[in-house]
Amino acid sequence: EIVLTQSPATLSLSPGERATLSCRASQSVSSYLAWYQQKPGQAPRLLIYDATNRATGIPARFSGSGSGTDFTLTISSLEPEDFAVYYCQQRSNWPPFFGGGTKVEIK
Amino acid sequence: QLQLQQSGPGLVKPSETLSLTCTVSGASISSSSYYWGWIRQPPGKGLEWIGSIYYTGTTNYNPSLKSRVTISVDTSKNQFSLKLSSVTAADTAVYYCAAPRGIAAVAPGVIDYWGQGTLVTVSS
Repeated sequence: EIVLTQSPATLSLSPGERATLSCRASQSVSSYLAWYQQKPGQAPRLLIYDATNRATGIPARFSGSGSGTDFTLTISSLEPEDFAVYYCQQRSNWPPFFGGGTKVEIK
Repeated sequence: QLQLQQSGPGLVKPSETLSLTCTVSGASISSSSYYWGWIRQPPGKGLEWIGSIYYTGTTNYNPSLKSRVTISVDTSKNQFSLKLSSVTAADTAVYYCAAPRGIAAVAPGVIDYWGQGTLVTVSS
């Protein structure tokens, strides 16, 4: 079973600032890592798949990087609607478990 | 556009079986383009993968829940279902149905489509 550890648990930032979120896998997942955004009361929304590919309709301020065991989601300049919880998910091994999440909150 | 509509009770008694259904529109439940899966989220916590079924009938379950979970498909109704037996308070969560991309898709397993979520509370 591959365990995904996200850090930090909470990130307090202001609109316009850069957000850097980390996801570390307990063993290599190659580039098979996705990122999702979840707002209160809503289902998650796919942002990035296979480490670096933006999903349809996702703004360019969201970018992903990494491979193997260390991955990063970067939001270049936070918009008010970006304050949410972010989850990573691996698809290297089935079942495709999720990380524990990082909450991006308004400072 | 694929849409998933969940239905089922929001309250289940301890030791009983939780049953939820997800009705698919915009695609055939027999399509190879998607898996059909269930994910849950306890209040204030993260996402937990429960399991999935493919059009071939192949199922795959979270090992921690495997002994209590059954996911099945009803092709006549274009629906898939979740049954979780012997529930306890620890099974209280928002349950989501989802359609992970199928084997032939780009990035199989990635989830573009989700149901609306159903809060299921286990309480007497």
